[in-house]
Amino acid sequence: DQQVKQNSPSLSVQEGRISILNCDYTNSMFDYFLWYKKYPAEGPTFLISISSIKDKNEDGRFTVFLNKSAKHLSLHIVPSQPGDSAVYFCAASASTPLVFGKGTRLSVIA
Amino acid sequence: EPEVTQTPSHQVTQMGQEVILRCVPISNHLYFYWYRQILGQKVEFLVSFYNNEISEKSEIFDDQFSVERPDGSNFTLKIRSTKLEDSAMYFCASSERRGGEETQYFGPGTRLLVL
Repeated sequence: DQQVKQNSPSLSVQEGRISILNCDYTNSMFDYFLWYKKYPAEGPTFLISISSIKDKNEDGRFTVFLNKSAKHLSLHIVPSQPGDSAVYFCAASASTPLVFGKGTRLSVIA
Repeated sequence: EPEVTQTPSHQVTQMGQEVILRCVPISNHLYFYWYRQILGQKVEFLVSFYNNEISEKSEIFDDQFSVERPDGSNFTLKIRSTKLEDSAMYFCASSERRGGEETQYFGPGTRLLVL
């Protein structure tokens, strides 16, 4: 039962370029989506979120796009920095506990 | 900036022993959660807690598990008789409100190893 899917387990990007992390979901009841960043041996750190009534939310270098008809969201990081190297989790909620994807490991190469 | 804290950071125990994992949620938050992540797998919801009672729990949260808010600051997860498969990272989270645009903030986790 994978309600939230992150199909790319890993991604490598050159420093300064754009990182695009993708997430798909199956439950149309989800109305709030979040991205968390996780370093080894640490807890998930909240990065950015988007409500289902919006299609874009921007915060500095991070932008999340939501395509409800495709049940798809993406996180854009531009420009990517070496410190962005981490595992990124997509999570979704329908006034319920968060449902997480499996994560994508981003490596930003200097 | 306020943050969720968890103790201990690591816990090694023998199978069948009881463990208590401790969390201090962000002080003005009212909703508390436990999640776990088995090595190599996704973060999974265990239980949510509000107003001194469990509001929701997953299939994982069986009779071996219990949660408590023993005082105004701590939130604990107890595993009564640990099994090998309980080995995982356990994350506590808290949020100000529930539903709508609710953001949960996570602690650094406790790594539990059951031998």
